[in-house]
Amino acid sequence: AQSVSQHNHHVILSEAASLELGCNYSYGGTVNLFWYVQYPGQHLQLLLKYFSGDPLVKGIKGFEAEFIKSKFSFNLRKPSVQWSDTAEYFCAVNVGRGSTLGRLYFGRGTQLTVWP
Amino acid sequence: DTGVSQDPRHKITKRGQNVTFRCDPISEHNRLYWYRQTLGQGPEFLTYFQNEAQLEKSRLLSDRFSAERPKGSFSTLEIQRTEQGDSAMYLCASGSGNTIYFGEGSWLTVV
Repeated sequence: AQSVSQHNHHVILSEAASLELGCNYSYGGTVNLFWYVQYPGQHLQLLLKYFSGDPLVKGIKGFEAEFIKSKFSFNLRKPSVQWSDTAEYFCAVNVGRGSTLGRLYFGRGTQLTVWP
Repeated sequence: DTGVSQDPRHKITKRGQNVTFRCDPISEHNRLYWYRQTLGQGPEFLTYFQNEAQLEKSRLLSDRFSAERPKGSFSTLEIQRTEQGDSAMYLCASGSGNTIYFGEGSWLTVV
């Protein structure tokens, strides 16, 4: 079965610090990759997604992620975090080709706490 | 507001009772998904529909769980003979093309 690993369970940063959250997946074929964010008391929201093309993907709110196929990784980055980025971040993978999405496999999430 | 509506938002039930959750997807979306999320974990896939057809079911979806989408619009997820281990957030999502949008979830507590 496919799996998604997020090795950092809780990350604590000060405002303006740089962020990198790790995500690795276990599937050797074609994958579609996603990062979702869940702010306290809110629903999951899509930050960014990768299907094909440029492996460096830019999302909303200044986030970006880089797909490194050889490392089976899709790490999320932000150069300077804000207090409002405090949330839980989930990496997710869909396997297979095509633009019609089936199931997503999620990592267990990383809780990011940003101190003002 | 994502446009995916779930009802009820919270449900407390006694063990052994049946519960039903409803999901109304974004109107033009032909795909609808159910996930389950417990504390400290990411969402786990349960099942998904394309229009009214149930295309995939997870092994997590035991025979006590049933999902329907009779007219290809709203969907229901029923859990029969609830157990304490069923306590979780049940998430519905809908999608069209390559994006999936999630609802706010329905919290189930089995006491």
